[in-house]
Order: sequence, then structure tokens, then C-alpha cells
Amino acid sequence: DAGVIQSPRHEVTEMGQEVTLRCKPISGHDYLFWYRQTMMRGLELLIYFNNNVPIDDSGMPEDRFSAKMPNASFSTLKIQPSEPRDSAVYFCASSLQRFSYNEQFFGPGTRLTVL
Amino acid sequence: GEDVEQSLFLSVREGDSSVINCTYTDSSSTYLYWYKQEPGAGLQLLTYIFSNMDMKQDQRLTVLLNKKDKHLSLRIADTQTGDSAIYFCAVDSNTGFQKLVFGTGTRLLVSP
Repeated sequence: DAGVIQSPRHEVTEMGQEVTLRCKPISGHDYLFWYRQTMMRGLELLIYFNNNVPIDDSGMPEDRFSAKMPNASFSTLKIQPSEPRDSAVYFCASSLQRFSYNEQFFGPGTRLTVL
Repeated sequence: GEDVEQSLFLSVREGDSSVINCTYTDSSSTYLYWYKQEPGAGLQLLTYIFSNMDMKQDQRLTVLLNKKDKHLSLRIADTQTGDSAIYFCAVDSNTGFQKLVFGTGTRLLVSP
């Protein structure tokens, strides 16, 4: 398996523009997570899905952020309009429900820079 | 909500042992984890421990759990330069199945 795939790996955009980040989870996994990592705030959980349904979006910073999972193999995180404070590394992770330990598999991340 | 705290930085010499510490607030966590993040990459599960265990050993890694003090530690024996990375402590969340609460991360720097 190729692991969790994220695109693009790097994104530079100007303030006010729409940004869409994409994620393909590991085949067969039923949970998908979006995280944001910054020096100031560390690793923050933004939202997670179970079987394509959003379960907890309490970490989404504000209405400018939205996430969708139209099918089991694809998810997007959209920021509209983007602001310089959104600059961060965004990770997607997936996992398989099991009745034991919970291993999340992380993608390589998308480094977003908003000028 | 749950809180997981770690020291930010640790520096050791190659060949020494490294000990990374973590404290957490939620005593109901079933599993506790250590994840590793290498430069430019995502996090990767390093090891985990079940809450009814005090210790788990896996090659050069030793995990110690003190439930009374809500303290978790990761010891890396014979630390190598390739161990330089950020290490995250994480615990199961009591607010969502499959949800983890991550610590702030400890950056380990191993010098030759």
C-alpha cells in the first residue's frame, strides 16, 4: 500500500485566495483525520470522519474552514478565504477501527504558506 | 478537556540513553502512545502501552507508565543520530472513539 497520500505537498498562495488540500486514505481504513501543525500551537485536530461522516469538527478554527469526504478514498480540506495565520503544515491521517490500540497513519503533510 | 504535556527539547550525545517524559490529565485512557516525527514527514507510531501495564520493552525502547502520577516516559537506549526527531506522547480521548490527544512534542537532538 502507498500509505496516506496528500496533495499538494507545498502550496503558496496570497491572502484571500481559496485553498484546497486533498487526501487519499489507506484503502480499507474507516477513520480519517485532519490535523494542523504550527510551532506556536503544536499539533491540533481539526476534524475527523468515520465511514465518510464527520464525527467531530470542534477543532475547525472558524467558518472559513470546511472539510468533506465524498467517498471512502478521498477527502478535502478547504480554506476560503485564506489568511496569513493559516500558514501551517496540514496532515491527513487514517486508521482502522479495532477493539485494541489505535494506530493512526499519517500522510507526509501539505505545507501551506499564505502571503 | 484532556491535556498532555511534554518538555520541548532534549539534547544527548550519541551512545547515551534518552528519556522523554510526558504527563497527562485523563486517567481513563486505555492505551498510551509514542509517535515519532522525522524532519519533513508525518508522524509514525513508535510504540504503545496498555494502561494496565507498568512497563513495555521493545528492543532499544522502554516505556514506563505510572498511572498514579499520570506520567509516561520513553527511554531510548544507545541513542543514535538517526533517532533525532520530534517525539509525541498521545492518549486515547474520552470524547471520541479512535480520537487521540497529542502532546506538544519533544525535539530530540543527538550529537555525535
